Amino acid sequence: GAGVSQSPRYKVAKRGQDVALRCDPISGHVSLFWYQQALGQGPEFLTYFQNEAQLDKSGLPSDRFFAERPEGSVSTLKIQRTQQEDSAVYLCASSFTADTQYFGPGTRLTVL
Amino acid sequence: DQQVKQNSPSLSVQEGRISILNCDYTNSMFDYFLWYKKYPAEGPTFLISISSIKDKNEDGRFTVFLNKSAKHLSLHIVPSQPGDSAVYFCAASAFSDPGGGADGLTFGKGTHLIIQP
Repeated sequence: GAGVSQSPRYKVAKRGQDVALRCDPISGHVSLFWYQQALGQGPEFLTYFQNEAQLDKSGLPSDRFFAERPEGSVSTLKIQRTQQEDSAVYLCASSFTADTQYFGPGTRLTVL
Repeated sequence: DQQVKQNSPSLSVQEGRISILNCDYTNSMFDYFLWYKKYPAEGPTFLISISSIKDKNEDGRFTVFLNKSAKHLSLHIVPSQPGDSAVYFCAASAFSDPGGGADGLTFGKGTHLIIQP
């Protein structure tokens, strides 16, 4: 595809449910990033992959958050036992040269 | 503690005039800076970037200026057009971190630019 795609675009979950958010990066991009954007804030870094290796997960807010990229392309961000404070837009970005990151449209997660 | 600050939540500019968006940072390790534009319900779109070895980078109507000593950068848009109305985010990274590899970006809170006809 031409750009980064994410699915679903919108997700509503009941408190305590598990959710899985998918990211398809730009073909050939080695680096993949996940960000969380709360209302009225800028995106905040969650985790970073170089190919299939998760090199930085310092931004993950708790051990309920887990990300994987098993084959070095598609990535999944999983949130277990969702809480209301997890409500946010989750953005995925990819880059080839590790400088400019290109973002997908995001998944808006609402936890009721 | 915010490492990247955009102190103007909103800015209104008349069409055809210059728009100047400002950004300050506190982390002296930052050496690569980017501006993104965001429309509602879309992801941020890359606009322009600048490395700390430069003090200016220009791309069409967009120019970014970097003042390292003041830890300040600005985005100039001239002339401003109605399609420029969006939220603009300043972002920074320690690209040349000795740890190597890519680096997660640190974003400001954004400035909502409104271009008035």
